[in-house]
Amino acid sequence: EAQVTQNPRYLITVTGKKLTVTCSQNMNHEYMSWYRQDPGLGLRQIYYSMNVEVTDKGDVPEGYKVSRKEKRNFPLILESPSPNQTSLYFCASSPGAGVGEKLFFGSGTQLSVL
Amino acid sequence: QKEVEQDPGPLSVPEGAIVSLNCTYSNSAFQYFMWYRQYSRKGPELLMYTYSSGNKEDGRFTAQVDKSSKYISLFIRDSQPSDSATYLCAIRDKIIFGKGTRLHILP
Repeated sequence: EAQVTQNPRYLITVTGKKLTVTCSQNMNHEYMSWYRQDPGLGLRQIYYSMNVEVTDKGDVPEGYKVSRKEKRNFPLILESPSPNQTSLYFCASSPGAGVGEKLFFGSGTQLSVL
Repeated sequence: QKEVEQDPGPLSVPEGAIVSLNCTYSNSAFQYFMWYRQYSRKGPELLMYTYSSGNKEDGRFTAQVDKSSKYISLFIRDSQPSDSATYLCAIRDKIIFGKGTRLHILP
């Protein structure tokens, strides 16, 4: 089944403790992206990747890192999480970055930073 | 002015009603317009997309773009309780999402 898989679904951590949220897609998509979704602010793009070893900042990249060493994986890294990074995170992928491309989303990771 | 504006709702309508969801956008250069549906605790999924102006119909759903007024709409006919979700409009030139409208269909 074609899908975008994120892990974990729920994560509670403490300020400053490094964490990684994994994202994997099995559709051979070139484009992958991370979003955070907050009440009243909607979906905001954190980082995106056009292909292996090609990543770029989205609208809210501060406090996050990403890497794209393989086409299927696009982990999101929080080196020193802070409470303002408590949010619902979504990974998404699409065949390419073209304007008509359909984005496929993962099921989300609810992160709470205490 | 924000690039995409969308009323967050919530919007509650009785089952069987016609629902109209709307967004406005600021950049007249935008060409691709999408509607995503997001159920609670799930990721958004693409419902419909349109290119440039005009209407597109898919079953009970119609997407409409009015480029002259920079206004996009999603109409749901014969609304069902299963349509209760948050609906996000999106502009895919860079991809920009509206904040989403929560819709409740009352049985």
